Amino acid sequence: QQQVKQSPQSLIVQKGGISIINCAYENTAFDYFPWYQQFPGKGPALLIAIRPDVSEKKEGRFTISFNKSAKQFSLHIMDSQPGDSATYFCAASRKSNFGNEKLTFGTGTRLTIIP
Amino acid sequence: GAGVSQSPRYKVAKRGQDVALRCDPISGHVSLFWYQQALGQGPEFLTYFQNEAQLDKSGLPSDRFFAERPEGSVSTLKIQRTQQEDSAVYLCASSLEAQLPAEAFFGQGTRLTVV
Repeated sequence: QQQVKQSPQSLIVQKGGISIINCAYENTAFDYFPWYQQFPGKGPALLIAIRPDVSEKKEGRFTISFNKSAKQFSLHIMDSQPGDSATYFCAASRKSNFGNEKLTFGTGTRLTIIP
Repeated sequence: GAGVSQSPRYKVAKRGQDVALRCDPISGHVSLFWYQQALGQGPEFLTYFQNEAQLDKSGLPSDRFFAERPEGSVSTLKIQRTQQEDSAVYLCASSLEAQLPAEAFFGQGTRLTVV
């Protein structure tokens, strides 16, 4: 049962372009939506996160757009650079039955920025 | 140390062998999580510790999987009688706060290959 669906699976964008990755969720109990960046051989690193009470959050070249009614959120990378080439995971967090916050990850998008 | 440290980085086990994977979280971090990441997939939650208490083990796939954090710092994930389907990267993450969705810092992971 995939609670967070992510697309596309892979994405190639020209340097300077906009990279867009989309995610959709089903469980309305999710209350925190982070994006993680993962380089080969490394663990995921938090990039940017949003709560469902706002529709957009921007940090530098990275923006999350959030549509609560559609249960969708997306990551936009402006002015994409070769150093942005990595795998990106969306995630959604909810409080478990045991009281801890629990992350559910999407399946990942492999982003390649070409010169 | 500056970040979450995991050892070994790579482990090859023969089917049926027991393995132990170690996680050194960031000093002072209350929460510790274990995740399993299959090839080409997002991390999947295994278990959660708040200090030395294992509050949530709902993600452990079978009774062959055990985790402990006896003194509230270092944690060990043990897999008994390993099977080929256990092959994956095992990620450990820690965060400072217990309940809020604070930023979780991930280690580089241990890549387990069962042959």
